[in-house]
Amino acid sequence: GAVVSQHPSWVICKSGTSVKIECRSLDFQATTMFWYRQFPKQSLMLMATSNEGSKATYEQGVEKDKFLINHASLTLSTLTVTSAHPEDSSFYICSAGTSGGRGEQFFGPGTRLTVL
Amino acid sequence: DAKTTQPTSMDCAEGRAANLPCNHSTISGNEYVYWYRQIHSQGPQYIIHGLKNNETNEMASLIITEDRKSSTLILPHATLRDTAVYYCIVRVANNAGNMLTFGGGTRLMVKP
Repeated sequence: GAVVSQHPSWVICKSGTSVKIECRSLDFQATTMFWYRQFPKQSLMLMATSNEGSKATYEQGVEKDKFLINHASLTLSTLTVTSAHPEDSSFYICSAGTSGGRGEQFFGPGTRLTVL
Repeated sequence: DAKTTQPTSMDCAEGRAANLPCNHSTISGNEYVYWYRQIHSQGPQYIIHGLKNNETNEMASLIITEDRKSSTLILPHATLRDTAVYYCIVRVANNAGNMLTFGGGTRLMVKP
């Protein structure tokens, strides 16, 4: 199946700093990518839908000014957590789908963010 | 998208078949049933999906009832590496541009 990568796989930062997470589709082009957040022992929660060349669509309750999403190309979307706080510590996962075909989503391996 | 109901957890003996049920009684005619699994601290992995016919691939089989209100994912010979949370998701259209909505899933524990 198609491969989606994320970088970094884990990051530890101080409170108040910003962290950028990259999501890349390695062998296919993705006009749409999705960003999820997962807290311990909970399910994945969709944060936003990232569309290449346009503004992201955020889910209710997700602050767009805090979680900046840029989808500059068909293979790269970035999520920047600005002014991170300990409550932002979570597992962040991106996904992308191939155009047409069977409609399945391919997920990245996730990024573990710990804010001290 | 229609809501799904899955048991919170299940155990299975290694080498035996694991049968994971899912109820989706409000599924619409154009919604597919997708199964994903998530091994601890990894991103979800696609397993299989179907509309109304039973499906089989190298990972699993998917049995969908005739009325489409429920389905069962079958792992024919479970191994310890199949221990994971399994998510049943119903989704409008066969379109990669549509998001996936995750419920609680079933935590499958495969035991030696």
